[in-house]
Amino acid sequence: EAGVTQFPSHSVIEKGQTVTLRCDPISGHDNLYWYRRVMGKEIKFLLHFVKESKQDESGMPNNRFLAERTGGTYSTLKVQPAELEDSGVYFCASSQAVAANTGELFFGEGSRLTVL
Amino acid sequence: AQSVTQPDIHITVSEGASLELRCNYSYGATPYLFWYVQSPGQGLQLLLKYFSGDTLVQGIKGFEAEFKRSQSSFNLRKPSVHWSDAAEYFCAVGAYNTDKLIFGTGTRLQVFP
Repeated sequence: EAGVTQFPSHSVIEKGQTVTLRCDPISGHDNLYWYRRVMGKEIKFLLHFVKESKQDESGMPNNRFLAERTGGTYSTLKVQPAELEDSGVYFCASSQAVAANTGELFFGEGSRLTVL
Repeated sequence: AQSVTQPDIHITVSEGASLELRCNYSYGATPYLFWYVQSPGQGLQLLLKYFSGDTLVQGIKGFEAEFKRSQSSFNLRKPSVHWSDAAEYFCAVGAYNTDKLIFGTGTRLQVFP
């Protein structure tokens, strides 16, 4: 069974450009989460999808970030325009049940974003 | 607000030595507590979790953790470390009525032969 896959693994862009990160969850997992880790800091929650609906987007930093999950399958996270402070590793995770009920989140390897 | 503190950024141990990674949390009610590990080139993997009941929980790869309410701690232990345990370890807390996990800053473990 395939795990959570993320693309690209590393992206280097200039300030002001646009980047789109993609996450393919484990098949059948309705819950999809985006987290971000800035260098040396904690892993921070960004948002949670249940199927195609945004359940909780309280962690999204600002309106330069747009997440979508069309059809309840894969998800994209777009940053437009990118700023220096957006650099970090963006993790996607999926689960059958909500995270706090089971804790069994399945994480991808992360997409490292570097904004110059 | 919920928070998690991992006081040790980097720990180095010799192979075969015992290990304890510290985790302190802040939460008003009984928390759900987790330890995740991220090995090089991989995503985070759940090691163990505490929801209720026995305060000593066993996980995968020979790890265990003990919940101590009086100390607001959930330290991770392993009696004998293997070189393959070199990784970054994250403690996390969740709550019944939320769908997000709050992670600590992580502890990077280095193992010397």
